Amino acid sequence: AQSVTQLDSQVPVFEEAPVELRCNYSSSVSVYLFWYVQYPNQGLQLLLKYLSGSTLVKGINGFEAEFNKSQTSFHLRKPSVHISDTAEYFCAVSDPQAGTALIFGKGTTLSVSS
Amino acid sequence: GAVVSQHPSWVICKSGTSVKIECRSLDFQATTMFWYRQFPKQSLMLMATSNEGSKATYEQGVEKDKFLINHASLTLSTLTVTSAHPEDSSFYICSAQGQGVFSSYNSPLHFGNGTRLTVT
Repeated sequence: AQSVTQLDSQVPVFEEAPVELRCNYSSSVSVYLFWYVQYPNQGLQLLLKYLSGSTLVKGINGFEAEFNKSQTSFHLRKPSVHISDTAEYFCAVSDPQAGTALIFGKGTTLSVSS
Repeated sequence: GAVVSQHPSWVICKSGTSVKIECRSLDFQATTMFWYRQFPKQSLMLMATSNEGSKATYEQGVEKDKFLINHASLTLSTLTVTSAHPEDSSFYICSAQGQGVFSSYNSPLHFGNGTRLTVT
């Protein structure tokens, strides 16, 4: 079964600094990859997704992620963060052959301070 | 864009009572809905997958008699927590996948805003 590992449970950064949130998935077979953001007591909002094609995916709010098949990674990056980016970030994977449910990582708390 | 409405956003109930959570797709027909549970500071755990008009498929370890899921129409799925106990307190989130223009992974799953359940 697919699994997702988010290597950092918490990432504290200063405002305007760059950030990378790491995500690795378990299988090298064809997968779809997603990053979601969750604000307190709210549902999930899609930041970006990789289905096929270009390995560099650009999403909303200035985020981007790069799919690396050889390293089975899908790290999320932003060159300059804002206070408002403080939230929980989840990496998720799905196996097109096994249905459409998403398997989520444990999440990374991004804390941006001034 | 596609919107999924989840109601109520929070509920407090006494131990032993049942609670129903609704998940509605507002502008698309949801052929498949997923129910997740999220404990504090933890990830979302898939509880079950429901397809309209058929029985839900539960993940291993999820009691189907305790967490009743009904997906009677293309726009509504409900999760009923029966005989709730304090350990059922959690954040429950639904997501929906539609047919037509919103189908397939070219459009993502759409998530509700979640329901905070507290059982006293």
